[in-house]
Amino acid sequence: EAQVTQNPRYLITVTGKKLTVTCSQNMNHEYMSWYRQDPGLGLRQIYYSMNVEVTDKGDVPEGYKVSRKEKRNFPLILESPSPNQTSLYFCASSLDRVGYEQYFGPGTRLTVT
Amino acid sequence: KQEVTQIPAALSVPEGENLVLNCSFTDSAIYNLQWFRQDPGKGLTSLLLIQSSQREQTSGRLNASLDKSSGRSTLYIAASQPGDSATYLCAVTMDSNYQLIWGAGTKLIIKP
Repeated sequence: EAQVTQNPRYLITVTGKKLTVTCSQNMNHEYMSWYRQDPGLGLRQIYYSMNVEVTDKGDVPEGYKVSRKEKRNFPLILESPSPNQTSLYFCASSLDRVGYEQYFGPGTRLTVT
Repeated sequence: KQEVTQIPAALSVPEGENLVLNCSFTDSAIYNLQWFRQDPGKGLTSLLLIQSSQREQTSGRLNASLDKSSGRSTLYIAASQPGDSATYLCAVTMDSNYQLIWGAGTKLIIKP
């Protein structure tokens, strides 16, 4: 089954404690991205990757890091989480950046206290 | 700066009704427009993608239209069912940089 998986699904952590949210896709997609969703604001892109070792900033990259060492994986790293990073996070993948259907993971709800 | 607006934020209708969800955008220089469905705990599912040169796309009971010049898109749902209850999001891809700009969504409730 074609899918995008994220782990963990729920995470409560404290300010400053480094964390990683994993994302993996099994469709051999080249394009992957991370979004955050906050009430009333819609989705905002954090980072995206066009292919292995190629990443670029989205609209709200501050406080986040990513890496793309393998085509299927695109982890999101919060080196020093802060309460304003409390949000619902989605990973997505598609064949290319535009013109193709995007597949989304189920989301990770992060709370930083 | 592109702004995507979806009104209303929430909508509740009886089962069986035909309904229209609206999406408007301020900058007509778009590459395409997409409609997504969001179910709690299940992420987003792509419903329809309309290229900028197209006027509409259909999938089953869903029909999406695009009027680029007026900055509007509608998602028509025929014969609504309780299973259609979800939040519906539209997103435009910008021509200039392929950035995806999202609306905040319309939460749809279909009452049995």
